[in-house]
Amino acid sequence: SQQGEEDPQALSIQEGENATMNCSYKTSINNLQWYRQNSGRGLVHLILIRSNEREKHSGRLRVTLDTSKKSSSLLITASRAADTASYFCATDGSNYKLTFGKGTLLTVNP
Amino acid sequence: DAGVIQSPRHEVTEMGQEVTLRCKPISGHNSLFWYRQTMMRGLELLIYFNNNVPIDDSGMPEDRFSAKMPNASFSTLKIQPSEPRDSAVYFCASIAGSTDTQYFGPGTRLTVL
Repeated sequence: SQQGEEDPQALSIQEGENATMNCSYKTSINNLQWYRQNSGRGLVHLILIRSNEREKHSGRLRVTLDTSKKSSSLLITASRAADTASYFCATDGSNYKLTFGKGTLLTVNP
Repeated sequence: DAGVIQSPRHEVTEMGQEVTLRCKPISGHNSLFWYRQTMMRGLELLIYFNNNVPIDDSGMPEDRFSAKMPNASFSTLKIQPSEPRDSAVYFCASIAGSTDTQYFGPGTRLTVL
């Protein structure tokens, strides 16, 4: 079964706006990761947040984690057309197994 | 660094044929993962290896699927016989040691007619 569930399924914004995507999961985790997938390409790791962290930043990315609500959010600030992609959250299991959600398709219009 | 390499990038075959997908992980990475991605089911883990040994193959759909890792730099995923419902994009990913970040290959788009 899918551990991570992203919402919204699709998001369309204008260049320069901020984009927020959410992820909910069911069981306890050691860490949560966000990946990006451009059309027709493999997934690329963006950021990892551990269960004892509440917020993490990387460039224009900001990730929050609320383990009490079993949820995470990914914020992309000042979006660019090049940010157009699908974004997936992934939760860890044992032995480095990751379980991915179905993703949020982000479209940034120039 | 060439990254994870997969071949072929595209494969079109007819139902009943054998299909072999190949993966070369990043040098020095000791864990390798095979995933399948479809619109309906998203990204599913099929099998993963640690130090060339299969650790968990619970995601392999059925006996028609098999995977091997004869050495640290090569793995195959074989489907025999293939069926139209096997049509998907198959990804290989690898990680190094105790890190958690997976590095994905570009994928193989398989179409079974």
